[in-house]
Amino acid sequence: EPEVTQTPSHQVTQMGQEVILRCVPISNHLYFYWYRQILGQKVEFLVSFYNNEISEKSEIFDDQFSVERPDGSNFTLKIRSTKLEDSAMYFCASSEAPGGGSSPLHFGNGTRLTVT
Amino acid sequence: GENVEQHPSTLSVQEGDSAVIKCTYSDSASNYFPWYKQELGKRPQLIIDIRSNVGEKKDQRIAVTLNKTAKHFSLHITETQPEDSAVYFCAALYTGNQFYFGTGTSLTVIP
Repeated sequence: EPEVTQTPSHQVTQMGQEVILRCVPISNHLYFYWYRQILGQKVEFLVSFYNNEISEKSEIFDDQFSVERPDGSNFTLKIRSTKLEDSAMYFCASSEAPGGGSSPLHFGNGTRLTVT
Repeated sequence: GENVEQHPSTLSVQEGDSAVIKCTYSDSASNYFPWYKQELGKRPQLIIDIRSNVGEKKDQRIAVTLNKTAKHFSLHITETQPEDSAVYFCAALYTGNQFYFGTGTSLTVIP
């Protein structure tokens, strides 16, 4: 069964540094997402991406965040200047066609980001 | 935006008993409701989903019910087993491609 893959599995960085989290969505999926989960809390929506542009973003997704699909397979989340409160598990997800198609999210294994 | 509430936050049941987790949503435009199971340190995995044109769906020991009028949906697990122990999240699909998640229920099945 195809899977969403994420790298790295764990990233430690110092406050103020830039990090890039990488994801390879399932190949025939059209919608891509980033979610984050602070330890012990719920999964929070950050951003959705379709047709090479952001389709929706939450209030969490401020100017320090950006997403990119640099080629036909990768989908990245960049945090420009990390803060302590950015420490969380970041999940990439993809789906075939939500909305009218109501297809579920398929999550990657996540990247645990630790900001020190 | 959408607001999804989930109860209870923790649930302990004896092996073989049933477990029920309830979620409510705020936006009547939401039309798709998946449930995810997340084991410790792992990714959320879809276990069952329901669309707004259906009132109930069952898959072996797992069932989901949806009450559109009341805007709530529930997960039912029968004959629980220790391997059912995990955190369960409900979600609602809002405005086409934005999923909102509940706060999670930590289920413990006691052997």
